[in-house]
Amino acid sequence: ETGVTQTPRHLVMGMTNKKSLKCEQHLGHNAMYWYKQSAKKPLELMFVYNFKEQTENNSVPSRFSPECPNSSHLFLHLHTLQPEDSALYLCASSQDPGGTTEAFFGQGTRLTVV
Amino acid sequence: AQSVTQLGSHVSVSEGALVLLRCNYSSSVPPYLFWYVQYPNQGLQLLLKYTTGATLVKGINGFEAEFKKSETSFHLTKPSAHMSDAAEYFCAVSERDSGTYKYIFGTGTRLKVLA
Repeated sequence: ETGVTQTPRHLVMGMTNKKSLKCEQHLGHNAMYWYKQSAKKPLELMFVYNFKEQTENNSVPSRFSPECPNSSHLFLHLHTLQPEDSALYLCASSQDPGGTTEAFFGQGTRLTVV
Repeated sequence: AQSVTQLGSHVSVSEGALVLLRCNYSSSVPPYLFWYVQYPNQGLQLLLKYTTGATLVKGINGFEAEFKKSETSFHLTKPSAHMSDAAEYFCAVSERDSGTYKYIFGTGTRLKVLA
């Protein structure tokens, strides 16, 4: 399997639930990202990991908790979410030092909070 | 911090017509620029990128973009639109911050192709 794989593709959860999103990349990249894509809003960068270390937390509420156990895997743990957190969550990876290299995206997890 | 502006959140063209999607960036240093396409319920797929060298960049599916430093622009074009080009297009710039590159995206332009 190649590229960036996200699971699950769709998730419906209640506001009191705890769930996790998973991202896996088979590209040998060292940097991984979580983006949130909401309707009619630009892509919002949430977290950046570089060589498993978090280098960016873009003022994300604590109900979102990332985890990067190794350079190939990235998780987003969710708890006590709000309906406005419903969105498409996209994982991406890139070779670091990058800049000239593009980010590769997974297909996303469509999250609905009820 | 850098920013990316995409003029026109929706663009409609007839099949076979020229596609022009506009992107302007703000950057005090030479930028690395990207165009991505997103189909419904999918992730983003790279169309093309500019790093250095030739300012006219060719990408997949017949798209190309020209980097114009004097205009801080990186507009995306395709000579003849196809129905399968209907999608959302995102312009992005990469920025190095805290030792890691991150990608800043524009708000996207939804392209509609009319039969």
